[in-house]
Amino acid sequence: AQSVSQHNHHVILSEAASLELGCNYSYGGTVNLFWYVQYPGQHLQLLLKYFSGDPLVKGIKGFEAEFIKSKFSFNLRKPSVQWSDTAEYFCAVNAGANNDMRFGAGTRLTVKP
Amino acid sequence: KAGVTQTPRYLIKTRGQQVTLSCSPISGHRSVSWYQQTPGQGLQFLFEYFSETQRNKGNFPGRFSGRQFSNSRSEMNVSTLELGDSALYLCASSSQGTVTEAFFGQGTRLTVV
Repeated sequence: AQSVSQHNHHVILSEAASLELGCNYSYGGTVNLFWYVQYPGQHLQLLLKYFSGDPLVKGIKGFEAEFIKSKFSFNLRKPSVQWSDTAEYFCAVNAGANNDMRFGAGTRLTVKP
Repeated sequence: KAGVTQTPRYLIKTRGQQVTLSCSPISGHRSVSWYQQTPGQGLQFLFEYFSETQRNKGNFPGRFSGRQFSNSRSEMNVSTLELGDSALYLCASSSQGTVTEAFFGQGTRLTVV
């Protein structure tokens, strides 16, 4: 069965530090990949998505992610985090024609001012 | 364009009761998915409806059911509530097709006492 793994449960960084959150999935076919963010008290919002083409995807707020097909990975990066990036981040995979989206368990990011 | 609307926002029920949650998708979206979000388990996929038909189902007991109406609005029902059903229930809508992204509602916070 298709699954999504996020390696880090809770990440704590200081402002201006670089961020990389890991995401691996287990599906051999064509996939659509997403990162969603949930700020405290708010609903899930799309950060970025990969459907096809350039494997380096740029999203909102300076985030980017790289799709590495051979590693079944879609890691999220940001060169310099801000306090306002404190949130929970979810990786998601949508595979096949049935629009079956599966989410990772989430990574809570705390950025210290 | 109105977003995904979930009602009610908060609900307190007693063990053994049943509950119905409602989701109105973005206008024009025909796919509605339901997720259960808990601190320990993250987002877990419940089921997805498309044009009034259940297309996918996650690994939840039969106490969890849903339906979709001709106007794409969806309801989720949980019967014989258990304490462990306390969670944030999220609804997401998307347009048809394989290359889609999900738009989430604010969720319904269900507390079972």
